Amino acid sequence: TQLLEQSPQFLSIQEGENLTVYCNSSSVFSSLQWYRQEPGEGPVLLVTVVTGGEVKKLKRLTFQFGDARKDSSLHITAAQPGDTGLYLCAGVDFGNEKLTFGTGTRLTIIP
Amino acid sequence: NAGVTQTPKFQVLKTGQSMTLQCAQDMNHEYMSWYRQDPGMGLRLIHYSVGAGITDQGEVPNGYNVSRSTTEDFPLRLLSAAPSQTSVYFCASSWQGPTPRFDEQYFGPGTRLTVT
Repeated sequence: TQLLEQSPQFLSIQEGENLTVYCNSSSVFSSLQWYRQEPGEGPVLLVTVVTGGEVKKLKRLTFQFGDARKDSSLHITAAQPGDTGLYLCAGVDFGNEKLTFGTGTRLTIIP
Repeated sequence: NAGVTQTPKFQVLKTGQSMTLQCAQDMNHEYMSWYRQDPGMGLRLIHYSVGAGITDQGEVPNGYNVSRSTTEDFPLRLLSAAPSQTSVYFCASSWQGPTPRFDEQYFGPGTRLTVT
């Protein structure tokens, strides 16, 4: 079973600060996704990165896929209370019809 | 267009009881899957289906059965509930399933199951 470790597990910061969360594996993935989940709801897709070294931006969120396709990062600039939630990364195996989810980072933005 | 619906939203079972968690989607998606979410462990794949009549096991299939008689429905059956099956269960669907350019998975709102 491939493992995706996310760090930190919990993060609580003040509104307006910047932050980065990480998703790491010893395995190579064909693509990687980031989801955000709010309490009582299912995860919602934020982005899919496919190419090693790829960078995608979604407003104040910047996603990067590692050159070796084993890791990814999510950087949030000027965090807002609406960014609060559980952030999950998920990797797609080459030739495998399954997603492997990371352990999650629970982010709290304090107004 | 309701997306992915799950019933019930909450359920309490006694050890040894059986039940079926319902999942339906109205987006004509071929790929459907069931996950369980436990604290500190992310989501783990239980079973998945790439189309009507086709199912396969995921990472944690023991104690669960599935069937896919129609494109729309993908029920999850707990055969004999155990306290270790206490979890939040999510159903998801997507057009074609994991590919190098993975289609977006749409998740239902979840079923919170407690087994006493």
